[in-house]
Amino acid sequence: QKEVEQNSGPLSVPEGAIASLNCTYSDRGSQSFFWYRQYSGKSPELIMFIYSNGDKEDGRFTAQLNKASQYVSLLIRDSQPSDSATYLCAVNIGGGSEKLVFGKGTKLTVNP
Amino acid sequence: DTAVSQTPKYLVTQMGNDKSIKCEQNLGHDTMYWYKQDSKKFLKIMFSYNNKELIINETVPNRFSPKSPDKAHLNLHINSLELGDSAVYFCASSQVGGGETQYFGPGTRLLVL
Repeated sequence: QKEVEQNSGPLSVPEGAIASLNCTYSDRGSQSFFWYRQYSGKSPELIMFIYSNGDKEDGRFTAQLNKASQYVSLLIRDSQPSDSATYLCAVNIGGGSEKLVFGKGTKLTVNP
Repeated sequence: DTAVSQTPKYLVTQMGNDKSIKCEQNLGHDTMYWYKQDSKKFLKIMFSYNNKELIINETVPNRFSPKSPDKAHLNLHINSLELGDSAVYFCASSQVGGGETQYFGPGTRLLVL
């Protein structure tokens, strides 16, 4: 069973702080990694994707990938109340099936 | 312009009924998906179609039958609805396969009474 694990939280940070969201995955052959944000009652929307080891930055968001440790994270700098949502880690499980497996999500609350 | 659309947005029905959910994407993508998100918010893939061909069929009861009339449409028909089918069903699409970014529709909230 190929799995994606996330801390379910909730994670609570003050406004302006750095929020750190973590994800581990079991399939060493995975090549593509995604972070989705889902507001309550809404559909998941892509925040970032990362394919290579290291960091990838986009505005206040940084994705970090370490394939050797099978670990991917998302950092949100200068957190805003509007960042309060559930963050879903998704990993492409390859080997021919080409499907995304989602973690159970981490609920983030940014307190004003 | 809506990229991935689903109808209906809400569906309330009785146990034992048959219902359908429709999905359309105008992104020109080749691959479409159905996901189920349960009450604990766990999002799990059900089916994937690539250019009208079934690619992924997870362990889903055969009461669920997807149908893709063309690569822009993927519908989901559910027979003999059960209480446990209550969930939010999301349609998604991507350019090629699972390695590409998937774009989600707004979801269909199904409640079986």
